[in-house]
Amino acid sequence: DAGVIQSPRHEVTEMGQEVTLRCKPISGHNSLFWYRQTMMRGLELLIYFNNNVPIDDSGMPEDRFSAKMPNASFSTLKIQPSEPRDSAVYFCASTLGQEETQYFGPGTRLLVL
Amino acid sequence: QKEVEQNSGPLSVPEGAIASLNCTYSDRGSQSFFWYRQYSGKSPELIMSIYSNGDKEDGRFTAQLNKASQYVSLLIRDSQPSDSATYLCAVRMDSSYKLIFGSGTRLLVRP
Repeated sequence: DAGVIQSPRHEVTEMGQEVTLRCKPISGHNSLFWYRQTMMRGLELLIYFNNNVPIDDSGMPEDRFSAKMPNASFSTLKIQPSEPRDSAVYFCASTLGQEETQYFGPGTRLLVL
Repeated sequence: QKEVEQNSGPLSVPEGAIASLNCTYSDRGSQSFFWYRQYSGKSPELIMSIYSNGDKEDGRFTAQLNKASQYVSLLIRDSQPSDSATYLCAVRMDSSYKLIFGSGTRLLVRP
């Protein structure tokens, strides 16, 4: 069974550009999480969905960030406009609710110049 | 005060020794506790979970939980160079599926 799939794996963009990160959770999992990891702040939860519905977006840094989950097999995290301080590794994770174990994707390394 | 705190390390131990990693958390009502391992440039992977006070053993790994003192630890016996990684402590603090992660402890096992 395939794990969590993220694309792109690497993204380099210029300040002000729109960035879209994509995630396909493990088939059958009903919760999806977006995290950001930096050296300074560690692994931070940005938003999580349960059954495609956003449950907690308190970690989303500001209005420049938005996330959607149009169906059970796809989610996007969008940054518009991007800023150099958004440079980080963005992870998507999924879980089958009651199991609690979160399975992480390989991450997207974002560099905003 | 951070919700989940870990010493950033690095913790350096010789091969074959016991590595002891510690984590404290702020919410006394927390119910679920997890240890993730993250190799450099890779994603976190779950190695242990613990829910009740005491010890839980899985191979060379032992997780210890003390809710009264609000700490959780991970012991790695017979440490191997392949155990060199960053170990992240994660705590589920409420009835949601949200985890709060510590900043991680970097472990170096010297051959």
